[in-house]
Amino acid sequence: EAEVAQSPRYKITEKSQAVAFWCDPISGHATLYWYRQILGQGPELLVQFQDESVVDDSQLPKDRFSAERLKGVDSTLKIQPAELGDSAMYLCASSLNGGNNSPLHFGNGTRLTVT
Amino acid sequence: AQSVTQLDSQVPVFEEAPVELRCNYSSSVSVYLFWYVQYPNQGLQLLLKYLSGSTLVESINGFEAEFNKSQTSFHLRKPSVHISDTAEYFCAVSESGTSYGKLTFGQGTILTVHP
Repeated sequence: EAEVAQSPRYKITEKSQAVAFWCDPISGHATLYWYRQILGQGPELLVQFQDESVVDDSQLPKDRFSAERLKGVDSTLKIQPAELGDSAMYLCASSLNGGNNSPLHFGNGTRLTVT
Repeated sequence: AQSVTQLDSQVPVFEEAPVELRCNYSSSVSVYLFWYVQYPNQGLQLLLKYLSGSTLVESINGFEAEFNKSQTSFHLRKPSVHISDTAEYFCAVSESGTSYGKLTFGQGTILTVHP
């Protein structure tokens, strides 16, 4: 079964450094989501793409976070500068078209530790 | 805006015993309801969902959940649990009619099945 690929699996960085995560959705999936999961909490949506366009980034801390999906396929989430509170699991998910007959498929996530 | 409350952060249970994981939600509009399961260091997997129709929905591995609109609840049940059911379970909602994948998650319930 096709999977959502994320890399790296783990990342340790010092505060004030830049860090980037990569996501490759399932082939043909137009809708892509980035979620952040802080330890002990449920995931929260950061940004949603439809093809290469941002549909919703209302919860993305835009002073330090940026996300792009230039060709409407894979996506990169960047944090610059990283802060201690950014330590979390960053999950990418994709769906065929974002509709209610199009289930979400989650990747295994990138676990970020900021020291 | 929606919110989800999972009433138990941890539920220990013995193998073959029944279990109920409780979920209440708040929303001013109609919602879709989901249960996701997360195994250690993995992404989320959809367990079951309620979109419309019958209020009782079932998963392939014996879990069921019932949508109760008057009580705004979507509790997850299994009549007999296995060791392999040990995982964290997340209840989630999204607004019906908007993006299916814009999920609001609860805080999660860690289910531990003891032999």
